[in-house]
Amino acid sequence: QVQLVESGGGVVERGGSLRLSCAVSGFPFRSSAMHWVRQAPGKGLEWVAFIRYDGNNDSYADSVKGRFIISRDNSKNTLYLQMNSLRVDDTAFYYCATFGGLPIWGQGTMVSVSS
Amino acid sequence: DIVMTQSPDSLAVSLGERATINCKSSQDVLYSSNNKNYLAWYQQKPGQPPKLLIYWASSRESGVPDRFSGSGSGTDFTLTISSLQAEDVGVYYCQQYYNTPITFGQGTRLEIK
Repeated sequence: QVQLVESGGGVVERGGSLRLSCAVSGFPFRSSAMHWVRQAPGKGLEWVAFIRYDGNNDSYADSVKGRFIISRDNSKNTLYLQMNSLRVDDTAFYYCATFGGLPIWGQGTMVSVSS
Repeated sequence: DIVMTQSPDSLAVSLGERATINCKSSQDVLYSSNNKNYLAWYQQKPGQPPKLLIYWASSRESGVPDRFSGSGSGTDFTLTISSLQAEDVGVYYCQQYYNTPITFGQGTRLEIK
């Protein structure tokens, strides 16, 4: 059974840091590119970051570039998102996902940045 | 970046009637090597994550009722609900996953008339 399970969300003050994790099972994680997508309350879906299957290439939305870092540990089948210098407008549900052919998403984890 | 534009922004349809949502991409999302359009449709209800309905523009995800269908190729796509049911109320998004950055339409809110 395919599962992507995000964790690490919570409430953090503006300027703080948080690390999200996404534990993957049921599909070939180590050969799959991975993404983070977020959704602010009442808003649409926004792509955040991408990492290649081997971790040797990544890209970011302009809104998070220089503050967020995507990484992966293929030995642990886990994807990460290190979020630094958090802003109030980073408040959102964060989803990990893969879009190799059949899109697969996790259930999301909520990040709330207080002012 | 590929811009995805949905129409209409909101839609009210009577129960049992057909609902149609359109999605236009600013660039072609058809991958010529496998002849597949990297276009997906999602349904989202309040408090829930997006639910995949259609991928590769016209392939229905397992478990999705056959009243949902996707069509189109290249830059123009359509999601059709053949006979609207009460549980179909929600927001619908199209998404291209042809290249990074992945981009989404702005969403279409579907309500019962």
